[in-house]
Amino acid sequence: GENVEQHPSTLSVQEGDSAVIKCTYSDSASNYFPWYKQELGKRPQLIIDIRSNVGEKKDQRIAVTLNKTAKHFSLHITETQPEDSAVYFCAASSSPYSGAGSYQLTFGKGTKLSVIP
Amino acid sequence: DVKVTQSSRYLVKRTGEKVFLECVQDMDHENMFWYRQDPGLGLRLIYFSYDVKMKEKGDIPEGYSVSREKKERFSLILESASTNQTSMYLCASSLRGIGYGYTFGSGTRLTVV
Repeated sequence: GENVEQHPSTLSVQEGDSAVIKCTYSDSASNYFPWYKQELGKRPQLIIDIRSNVGEKKDQRIAVTLNKTAKHFSLHITETQPEDSAVYFCAASSSPYSGAGSYQLTFGKGTKLSVIP
Repeated sequence: DVKVTQSSRYLVKRTGEKVFLECVQDMDHENMFWYRQDPGLGLRLIYFSYDVKMKEKGDIPEGYSVSREKKERFSLILESASTNQTSMYLCASSLRGIGYGYTFGSGTRLTVV
């Protein structure tokens, strides 16, 4: 099955600096890569995603890049703010059940981002 | 607003008890999932379902079972709770097909004593 590795496990940055979180995946058939943000005590929420036919996607201060050849993708947060402090999870999709039209996400272990004011 | 509702925020159960965790979504999603979240281990898939009465094992199904009798409801059952099942349990749902993100519930913090 799919295996997703995420680094680093913790990251501290000064407010205003950039933060980068990297993930690698094992299944070359995976073709959808979402990122989730989980604030303390809250549910994970989708913040950005990318499909395998796209190399980069941006949404204001966040961006995701994908290198299919190397099987890695990254989350970039620019001009970090204290409210960006959270645990971030990357994920990769796989469809183990052909014909069912279903898929499942395999998650990385998470990165705890702390933005220091 | 899209919602996935988990019946309990906190539960305390005794070892050996049968435990039911309920999840209801109001988005007419085909797929529903149960994950457990533990520090340092991330989100691990227990079971998922892509249709009514259909279920598939995830990465850590041992000690758990599930039930999906209606499209909107997906139940996780701990047949005989053990202390190593103390964890945060997250339910999620999604539309069928690639490219649809999950919507998560708020989670149930289960403590088995």
